[in-house]
Amino acid sequence: DAKTTQPNSMESNEEEPVHLPCNHSTISGTDYIHWYRQLPSQGPEYVIHGLTSNVNNRMASLAIAEDRKSSTLILHRATLRDAAVYYCILRDDYGRAGGTSYGKLTFGQGTILTVHP
Amino acid sequence: DADVTQTPRNRITKTGKRIMLECSQTKGHDRMYWYRQDPGLGLRLIYYSFDVKDINKGEISDGYSVSRQAQAKFSLSLESAIPNQTALYFCATSVQGDEQYFGPGTRLTVT
Repeated sequence: DAKTTQPNSMESNEEEPVHLPCNHSTISGTDYIHWYRQLPSQGPEYVIHGLTSNVNNRMASLAIAEDRKSSTLILHRATLRDAAVYYCILRDDYGRAGGTSYGKLTFGQGTILTVHP
Repeated sequence: DADVTQTPRNRITKTGKRIMLECSQTKGHDRMYWYRQDPGLGLRLIYYSFDVKDINKGEISDGYSVSRQAQAKFSLSLESAIPNQTALYFCATSVQGDEQYFGPGTRLTVT
């Protein structure tokens, strides 16, 4: 599996934007970029995913570099509830039945996001 | 009600005991997964199941077994628990290879 690199921790103030970076220099052409987060005492939660184009949903935006070797998860206005560990994960079989990696998610250490009031 | 539930939420057991962790889902998903989480190691996949008749080992299946009793139920068993199986266990579901939905976790302590 292609490897991702994230900062160990980041801090933000409430209601300010947060940009969480992820490097994936060995990404292959078929790898989708996924983001999950894990709030304290909860299971991981899907946030967003993308392949080449920038993506937006109700939770966040995902900006993907043109060469796809890095990406940034953007929380437009951080709230205290956004304090969590954020995981950047690459998957090559997203949405494909019988994909060779069988939907496996390889979680790294992630980025611990602290949000200050 | 939660879409993915796990029971028990907390369990303390002794070395050598058999224990079963249960997972149920109301999402109608075909795929189900069991992960464990240890401090500093992230989440690691134990077993996964495509459907009732298709069960596969993950990266750390030794010491564990699973049963897919129905599409909605996937149980994880520790036949003879040992202290290094103390961890947080998560069940997850997905439709084919799409995003996964996780349960709230079971905290297992083996003394």
